[in-house]
Amino acid sequence: DAGVIQSPRHEVTEMGQEVTLRCKPISGHDYLFWYRQTMMRGLELLIYFNNNVPIDDSGMPEDRFSAKMPNASFSTLKIQPSEPRDSAVYFCASSLFSEAFFGQGTRLTVV
Amino acid sequence: AQTVTQSQPEMSVQEAETVTLSCTYDTSENNYYLFWYKQPPSRQMILVIRQEAYKQQNATENRFSVNFQKAAKSFSLKISDSQLGDTAMYFCAFSNFGNEKLTFGTGTRLTIIP
Repeated sequence: DAGVIQSPRHEVTEMGQEVTLRCKPISGHDYLFWYRQTMMRGLELLIYFNNNVPIDDSGMPEDRFSAKMPNASFSTLKIQPSEPRDSAVYFCASSLFSEAFFGQGTRLTVV
Repeated sequence: AQTVTQSQPEMSVQEAETVTLSCTYDTSENNYYLFWYKQPPSRQMILVIRQEAYKQQNATENRFSVNFQKAAKSFSLKISDSQLGDTAMYFCAFSNFGNEKLTFGTGTRLTIIP
């Protein structure tokens, strides 16, 4: 397996634009997580899914953030409208039997 | 809620030496997992080692080993014969048994000096 695949690796966008981050989990994994990493706040869990169903989205900072998992092999995290304070590295991770593997992250810069 | 504390923001050690990174956690649960993740400059999060709370034996993976003290809620990582490639941020993490979401500490930046 190629591991968790995220796209894009880097995204630069203007304030107010919509941003969509994509993730393909490892085949067979039943959990999928979206994390955000910043210098100020470290690694924060935004939302996670179990068997494609959202379980806990309490970490999603605002209504501007939304996440979907339409099937077992794909998930998106959308920010609309984006703001400069959303600039961070966004990680997707998938897990099976409590062993999580991370994608390489998307570095988002909102100017 | 669970919390994970890493009290050493930065550490440095000479190549080939042994270094120990500290981690404490707080939980009221009895069954859980503890992890150490490595994040090199490439920013990839890499699982280094994992410990199940119900196991008394400390986990080891080659040069990496842990000292798990359940009563003290302590979970330190020992890196033996340190190598330049060990330079990275190291994160301690916790998850409850049956709930796979991870709670991370703030990390320790480890630098291996040639």
